[in-house]
Amino acid sequence: DAGVIQSPRHEVTEMGQEVTLRCKPISGHNSLFWYRQTMMRGLELLIYFNNNVPIDDSGMPEDRFSAKMPNASFSTLKIQPSEPRDSAVYFCASSLASGKHEQFFGPGTRLTVL
Amino acid sequence: GESVGLHLPTLSVQEGDNSIINCAYSNSASDYFIWYKQESGKGPQFIIDIRSNMDKRQGQRVTVLLNKTVKHLSLQIAATQPGDSAVYFCAENIPPGGGSYIPTFGRGTSLIVHP
Repeated sequence: DAGVIQSPRHEVTEMGQEVTLRCKPISGHNSLFWYRQTMMRGLELLIYFNNNVPIDDSGMPEDRFSAKMPNASFSTLKIQPSEPRDSAVYFCASSLASGKHEQFFGPGTRLTVL
Repeated sequence: GESVGLHLPTLSVQEGDNSIINCAYSNSASDYFIWYKQESGKGPQFIIDIRSNMDKRQGQRVTVLLNKTVKHLSLQIAATQPGDSAVYFCAENIPPGGGSYIPTFGRGTSLIVHP
């Protein structure tokens, strides 16, 4: 298995632009998580899905952030409009909701908003 | 050990030494704990887990110790190698009402192994 796949790996954009981050979880996993990592705040959970349904989005910082999971093999995290303080590394992770609860992380998307 | 401050705690060791990374967790209801390793430019990677009904678990070169009385977790790495250099996170998990465990990650400890 290729593991969790994220794209793009790097994104540089200007303030006010829309940014879309993409994630393909590991096949067969039914939970998907979006995290943001910064030096100031560490690793923060933004939102997670079980069986494609958003369960908890309390970590989403503002209405500018939205996430979707249209099917079991694809999820997006969108920021519109983007701001410089959104600059961070965004990770997607997936896991099985039963048995071992190990989360498998993707390589991350490094977002820079100028 | 881990800290909620802005600067990552750092542990520097010589190759071949044993390393001990500490973590204090906050929620007494947490019943499942995981250690992750994050190398530069990569996502966190699972190392070892432990449930609250255990106080010790061993893996390959790694041992996790859990002290529920003082809400403390430690990761011991035997014969540390340069490839062990990374940031190590502990994550505590509260039993979910349904579905997945949702981890709360600590701030991390940077391990630097000198050859």
